[in-house]
Amino acid sequence: EVQLVESGGGLIQPGGSLRLSCAASGFTVSSNYMSWVRQAPGKGLEWVSIIYGDGSTYYADSVKGRFTISRDNSKNTLYFQMNSPRAEDTAVYYCARSLYDSSGNDAFDVWGQGTMVTVSS
Amino acid sequence: EIVMTQSPATLSVSPGERATLSCRASQSVRSNLAWYQQKPGQAPRLLIYGASTRATGIPARFSGSGSGTEFTLTISSLQSEDFAVYYCQQRGTFGQGTKLEIK
Repeated sequence: EVQLVESGGGLIQPGGSLRLSCAASGFTVSSNYMSWVRQAPGKGLEWVSIIYGDGSTYYADSVKGRFTISRDNSKNTLYFQMNSPRAEDTAVYYCARSLYDSSGNDAFDVWGQGTMVTVSS
Repeated sequence: EIVMTQSPATLSVSPGERATLSCRASQSVRSNLAWYQQKPGQAPRLLIYGASTRATGIPARFSGSGSGTEFTLTISSLQSEDFAVYYCQQRGTFGQGTKLEIK
């Protein structure tokens, strides 16, 4: 079964650090484009980062320079290192796999259950 | 940066009726548009990609149409489990969502 399971969320103080994990099963993380998408309480969805199969990474301006996406191929796991978080980073963080069709259209076809991160002193 | 705008913000429809949700892109995205359903406390679920292709396991009552800048998600006969929030998405940008509620 294709599945993503996040972990690592919790309460973190502003300026601290936290690492989120996303363990994949049923497919290979390194062969897919993988993203982190977040959702602040009561708000909509916000894409924040992606890592491509070749290892290249991209970030939304809201997290660039503070957060880092990475993966461990031996563990088939995606990570999100959150440094210097702010109150506005409080959200449920989802990892998601990208689907690409023959026309170049893409979408997020597999999602984890989400992990809550609360940034507060 | 492409901006995705959904309308209406809230749609009230009776079970068994048809629901039509709209999504507009600030510039052409060709057919690269996806729709998701999200229920409270759950992760989003992919419904439609490529503007009109249903994802695996999605019932035929869900259909998508459009290209360029104007897109529509239609639910032909609403079931109780369809009342949720719906998002459109193009690459790294999501619309703000449409809440579909029971009338």
